[in-house]
Amino acid sequence: GDSVTQMEGPVTLSEEAFLTINCTYTATGYPSLFWYVQYPGEGLQLLLKATKADDKGSNKGFEATYRKETTSFHLEKGSVQVSDSAVYFCALRLYNFNKFYFGSGTKLNVKP
Amino acid sequence: GAVVSQHPSRVICKSGTSVKIECRSLDFQATTMFWYRQFPKKSLMLMATSNEGSKATYEQGVEKDKFLINHASLTLSTLTVTSAHPEDSSFYICSATRQGARTDTQYFGPGTRLTVL
Repeated sequence: GDSVTQMEGPVTLSEEAFLTINCTYTATGYPSLFWYVQYPGEGLQLLLKATKADDKGSNKGFEATYRKETTSFHLEKGSVQVSDSAVYFCALRLYNFNKFYFGSGTKLNVKP
Repeated sequence: GAVVSQHPSRVICKSGTSVKIECRSLDFQATTMFWYRQFPKKSLMLMATSNEGSKATYEQGVEKDKFLINHASLTLSTLTVTSAHPEDSSFYICSATRQGARTDTQYFGPGTRLTVL
């Protein structure tokens, strides 16, 4: 079935370190892919998205490229900040279906 | 931006009682609201989709008589966990899509932690 798998956390990095959070998916059809971020005490917020193969989503220094050949959508940031500490969720939505599949979330801790 | 609130943020109840969780879109009208459940270290699992004024559509394996969803207005949806049991303890999250907007843009509430004793 359709699903999303992302790396388990927590991920602990020092400020200005490079971040990668892996996400792979299984889907029938052609999904759109998303990264959501959840800061403590808040709801999930859309961070970035990509709707077709080879698209790159980017926002706030974060990037992710839709790789159909490897069914992946890894999240990257070149230099993390303490304020990036949050839980990150990878998700997919099948074309024309009103339903999201989420990964289990990866907690990121950035130390000063 | 689009803000979705949930109330209560945390609730503890005795086994056998019913608990109601509210989800409100504060600054927009929501044609569709979604209810998710999250287990520790697990992904968000969609429970049901509700459209204002119509019956909710439940995902396979979700008991509709157990989890009653009402979407009475364009800004409010409620989830009632009836005759709650300890296995219903979980984190419940709602989301909403803005009227007229694409449904791939969902705005999430902060979640409600339910603990059933």
